[in-house]
Amino acid sequence: QVQLQESGPGLVKPSGTLSLTCAVSGGSISSSNWWSWVRQPPGKGLEWIGEIYHSGSTNYNPSLKSRVTISVDKSKNQFSLKLSSVTAADTAVYYCARDLRPAYGSGSRFDYWGQGTLVTVSS
Amino acid sequence: DIQMTQSPSSLSASVGDRVTITCRASQSISSYLNWYQQKPGKAPKLLIYAASSLQSGVPSRFSGSGSGTDFTLTISSLQPEDFATYYCQQSYSTLCSFGQGTKLEIK
Repeated sequence: QVQLQESGPGLVKPSGTLSLTCAVSGGSISSSNWWSWVRQPPGKGLEWIGEIYHSGSTNYNPSLKSRVTISVDKSKNQFSLKLSSVTAADTAVYYCARDLRPAYGSGSRFDYWGQGTLVTVSS
Repeated sequence: DIQMTQSPSSLSASVGDRVTITCRASQSISSYLNWYQQKPGKAPKLLIYAASSLQSGVPSRFSGSGSGTDFTLTISSLQPEDFATYYCQQSYSTLCSFGQGTKLEIK
């Protein structure tokens, strides 16, 4: 049973950088899956942030691309999210998830999720 | 970008009712459509993938249909644990996107 666990500061100052890590257990991050970040502002819907493959290949939501970096640490079986120049609009629950999309092509589906972590942007 | 529009945004129903939620894509996405259920304070749960395939462990009262731009999620007989918010997600594009959600409430 794959498990994902987000960790990181719950409070970030405006203009700062949000940093989160997702630890994967019960499976290898080097398996043939993509690994994604999805966020959900309080009371609102889901927004895909971006994804990474164990090779280091990444794809980002164009609306966030200039501020987002996703990286992978295979030795620790985890991947990370950095979002720079944050504002109050970045306040959300951040989820990490496993995506069963093949290495090349369409067909993403998120079958395992972390429990989510609330990040508040406030001074 | 592909926009996903769900209807209705909210729905009241009773235990035992048959319920249908609709999702429309702004362009054809073939059968690249997934459905998720989310309960308050919890992560989304995958119910249906590729428009009509039931995810392992999901009760058979859930079913999905459609292709191209129009899709439906049907719950054949509502159970108390089904009251939640449902999201569709297109996976045709690398930039995946979600519908705005449909909140299913108890009548």
